Amino acid sequence: NAGVMQNPRHLVRRRGQEARLRCSPMKGHSHVYWYRQLPEEGLKFMVYLQKENIIDESGMPKERFSAEFPKEGPSILRIQQVVRGDSAAYFCASSPPAGLDEQFFGPGTRLTVL
Amino acid sequence: GQQVMQIPQYQHVQEGEDFTTYCNSSTTLSNIQWYKQRPGGHPVFLIQLVKSGEVKKQKRLTFQFGEAKKNSSLHITATQTTDVGTYFCAGPAAGNNRKLIWGLGTSLAVNP
Repeated sequence: NAGVMQNPRHLVRRRGQEARLRCSPMKGHSHVYWYRQLPEEGLKFMVYLQKENIIDESGMPKERFSAEFPKEGPSILRIQQVVRGDSAAYFCASSPPAGLDEQFFGPGTRLTVL
Repeated sequence: GQQVMQIPQYQHVQEGEDFTTYCNSSTTLSNIQWYKQRPGGHPVFLIQLVKSGEVKKQKRLTFQFGEAKKNSSLHITATQTTDVGTYFCAGPAAGNNRKLIWGLGTSLAVNP
């Protein structure tokens, strides 16, 4: 039973480029959460999605950032026109449709903006 | 807004000493969860507490949930170098029990 998968693990982008981060939740999980973490800091909630729906995007910047979780395929966090301040680790977590609220985290994508 | 606060932010201990981190919520929680993140790693779920006054143990780790369900603690007895990492507590957001509100974490360093 594979865990939460994220790719790429490391991503380097130049300022102004687009970054596309992918997350495949655990099998059977329909809830996906994206977090951002700066070095030596805590987890900052960005967005919570269920299949084809954004449930809560209160932590996501209004501009340049978007997220989706299509019916088929992984969840995507998209950052357009990246700036140096976007450099961080981005973690995806998933949880099952019912039962415990426990979140299972992927290994993260380390984004570096040059 | 709803907040979860953790103290201390950092803790250095000698191997063999005990360690405690405290978590306080601004609101009553239906449950509280604890996660551990090793340096360079990702958060890993440790435990969930649901009942008022609940105490759970995992080997050298003892977790408590306060009577009012607004605070919690994690105590590690006789720390080892493998305990190094950041410990986060998190509780469900009000009105939306799938989103979690996270504390900022307590980073534990253990000197051998």
